[in-house]
Amino acid sequence: KAGVTQTPRYLIKTRGQQVTLSCSPISGHRSVSWYQQTPGQGLQFLFEYFSETQRNKGNFPGRFSGRQFSNSRSEMNVSTLELGDSALYLCASSLGTVMLTNYGYTFGSGTRLTVV
Amino acid sequence: GENVEQHPSTLSVQEGDSAVIKCTYSDSASNYFPWYKQELGKRPQLIIDIRSNVGEKKDQRIAVTLNKTAKHFSLHITETQPEDSAVYFCAASKTGNQFYFGTGTSLTVIP
Repeated sequence: KAGVTQTPRYLIKTRGQQVTLSCSPISGHRSVSWYQQTPGQGLQFLFEYFSETQRNKGNFPGRFSGRQFSNSRSEMNVSTLELGDSALYLCASSLGTVMLTNYGYTFGSGTRLTVV
Repeated sequence: GENVEQHPSTLSVQEGDSAVIKCTYSDSASNYFPWYKQELGKRPQLIIDIRSNVGEKKDQRIAVTLNKTAKHFSLHITETQPEDSAVYFCAASKTGNQFYFGTGTSLTVIP
């Protein structure tokens, strides 16, 4: 069973540009969540999609957006990049509600974004 | 929203000793508390979790305790081994879809 796949693994972008990250969940998983991981802040929740609908949203500016396709694959977009957006972006997939399963989240390996 | 605090931020123990990491949460509605282990350069992986209707859960050398009244939960690792060296994150959730993570504890097990 393939795990959660995130592409690309590494990205270097210039301030002001935009970027799109992709996440393919485990087959059968309908929920995809995105997190930003930085050394000082830990993992911060961006948003969660379930069946193509944004179900939960964290406290990030509107420059951060996402979407989910009918095959549950998800993309995250960051516009007008700032230096502070440099981070590891992790996505995690689950069946829908982790409390109903014994498996919790399964994280992808992340996309390392560097803004210069 | 929920606020999860985690202590200590770094922890060094001798091989064979026990390690304890503590987390507190602010939202009394939170009812699911997973712990993740992240090795250097790798993805976080779930190692144990506990639901609010349980006070303690064990899995071999790992145990988690939950005190709902005090709103804190702890990870206990006994007989630590060098391969336990990693960053550990606690998290809290009330929906099972949105998680609030602690800032992580870097555990080093000294051989």
